[in-house]
Amino acid sequence: GDSVTQTEGQVTVSESKSLIINCTYSATSIAYPNLFWYVRYPGEGLQLLLKVITAGQKGSSRGFEATYNKETTSFHLQKASVQESDSAVYYCALGGSGGNYKPTFGKGTSLVVHP
Amino acid sequence: GPKVLQIPSHQIIDMGQMVTLNCDPVSNHLYFYWYKQILGQQMEFLVNFYNGKVMEKSKLFKDQFSVERPDGSYFTLKIQPTALEDSAVYFCASSTGTANTEVFFGKGTRLTVV
Repeated sequence: GDSVTQTEGQVTVSESKSLIINCTYSATSIAYPNLFWYVRYPGEGLQLLLKVITAGQKGSSRGFEATYNKETTSFHLQKASVQESDSAVYYCALGGSGGNYKPTFGKGTSLVVHP
Repeated sequence: GPKVLQIPSHQIIDMGQMVTLNCDPVSNHLYFYWYKQILGQQMEFLVNFYNGKVMEKSKLFKDQFSVERPDGSYFTLKIQPTALEDSAVYFCASSTGTANTEVFFGKGTRLTVV
């Protein structure tokens, strides 16, 4: 089946430093998966951070970027300079489109940004 | 933005009893989902629902589970009877289902079976 593997556990970064959260995927049920990063801020529901539906393209939002790399089956999340407000749990996911969306999630990475 | 509301946020139930988890999806959405997350593990797909019917369910969607959305009201997940291993956070989600649409998630209901 489909699976997503991402940096596990907690990542601690000092404010204004760079960040990378690794994500690799395996899509067996979807020929052309869409790739997503979701984020859950403390006390909030899961929300979409960014998505990319075409291999080779880059998505960006709130200073975060991720490039859909079909060759390495990766979709790493990066940010050049993190802020304390970025502290949250980040989930990499893959899915189909339309009614076949049904995302498959990674285990989540907890980001803690220290001032 | 659009919100999916889940009620209650936490429920404690005796093993063997029935529980119904309620979800108020975004009003014009047509596709509905339930996900389950056991503490420390990943969110896993349970079931999706469209036009009054289950479209697809995973192995986690046991015979004791059922879903329905009678006449556009709450989208519900019922577990009858509950077991200890049903303790988890259950997330509801909804979408319009069109290509490239965004899926909106609720904050989850933490179910504790004792």
